Amino acid sequence: GIQVEQSPPDLILQEGANSTLRCNFSDSVNNLQWFHQNPWGQLINLFYIPSGTKQNGRLSATTVATERYSLLYISSSQTTDSGVYFCAVVTPYDGGATNKLIFGTGTLLAVQP
Amino acid sequence: DTGVSQDPRHKITKRGQNVTFRCDPISEHNRLYWYRQTLGQGPEFLTYFQNEAQLEKSRLLSDRFSAERPKGSFSTLEIQRTEQGDSAMYLCASKGGFLYNEQFFGPGTRLTVL
Repeated sequence: GIQVEQSPPDLILQEGANSTLRCNFSDSVNNLQWFHQNPWGQLINLFYIPSGTKQNGRLSATTVATERYSLLYISSSQTTDSGVYFCAVVTPYDGGATNKLIFGTGTLLAVQP
Repeated sequence: DTGVSQDPRHKITKRGQNVTFRCDPISEHNRLYWYRQTLGQGPEFLTYFQNEAQLEKSRLLSDRFSAERPKGSFSTLEIQRTEQGDSAMYLCASKGGFLYNEQFFGPGTRLTVL
């Protein structure tokens, strides 16, 4: 099955710093979402981005589907950005058209004041 | 639109007991998913409903697990004869129809089996 790898696995930043998180996937995807999982376990939708570039405030994301990767940019980081960031994909080889998400390995981000 | 809700948020049970979790999807979302997340891992797919029909079950879903969505609205996930290995976060997500591709997650139910 498809492999979804994220890097770096862990990241420590000082407040105000910028960062780039990467998601590599081993096969074609139909859909791609980025999530932030807060310390209470809630998965918060950041972007639905199967291709192209989107921006939302201090966050932006780019997916290059032909090269099988997606990037999440966080600018001017804040302590509230801390948590785990997941990318998740849907493959076109989902025979039942379930559109189930396959999650990456995650990046644990800690933003220090 | 009140978002996906799950109940309870936390459950502590003794090994061998049965537990049931509830998920209320975003209203008018006809597709509902259950995922399980163990410590340090990403969520993994368990099962999928389109309206009231359960259309896919993962191999992770042993015969001790059963899920229902009787009227195509809320869903329940029951675990019988719980084992310590069932300890995890159980997440529910919902999605609109074919043209709507984004899944939205509930806050999860954290299960601890003693």
